[in-house]
Amino acid sequence: DTEVTQTPKHLVMGMTNKKSLKCEQHMGHRAMYWYKQKAKKPPELMFVYSYEKLSINESVPSRFSPECPNSSLLNLHLHALQPEDSALYLCASSQDTGTSALRQHNEQFFGPGTRLTVL
Amino acid sequence: AQTVTQSQPEMSVQEAETVTLSCTYDTSESNYYLFWYKQPPSRQMILVIRQEAYKQQNATENRFSVNFQKAAKSFSLKISDSQLGDTAMYFCAFSRGLASYDKVIFGPGTSLSVIP
Repeated sequence: DTEVTQTPKHLVMGMTNKKSLKCEQHMGHRAMYWYKQKAKKPPELMFVYSYEKLSINESVPSRFSPECPNSSLLNLHLHALQPEDSALYLCASSQDTGTSALRQHNEQFFGPGTRLTVL
Repeated sequence: AQTVTQSQPEMSVQEAETVTLSCTYDTSESNYYLFWYKQPPSRQMILVIRQEAYKQQNATENRFSVNFQKAAKSFSLKISDSQLGDTAMYFCAFSRGLASYDKVIFGPGTSLSVIP
């Protein structure tokens, strides 16, 4: 199974709502990522979790709150978002092996994304 | 800081023809990885091909091949026998390594349309 799943596929929310995006992988990967992607633009890294610990936070506003309950799941909690936060939110995972000889297998696998619209 | 440039925002190619997408990058690292990712409309982003900088041989994956010119910092993607399913955004990307803390830096993308 080489799949990263994301729910929901589409989400429309108001600026006062609280919602969560979910990401799941069953490939035994130990690193998971959140990216934000605007239309016809490249993905922008938001967060990286490695072995369930937050390892990279790209100075993302606090209205985005990641959570990694276990090695297979990654959530992104949303609160008080702005219209400019409307985008495709991509999750990815990778093996993240520590041994340099095995790192050739550390490619990132992307999910289909959640298309978020903030009204 | 590393940067990745794709000078062709949009390209088109006739089905069965060959097309080359350009990518240049800037880095002071001596070893690194370069990637081409494909993102079809409303579908998942997938890795098409990967090149390790210390390997002089150009990577190939079926109809996809790269022309890696390390001195010129150029990494172009050639798609042979183009198929309708090749229609997608193509992102060139750079990473210092393959650990999770090695950030992948994406270029702005090239939108490729394959015309029947």
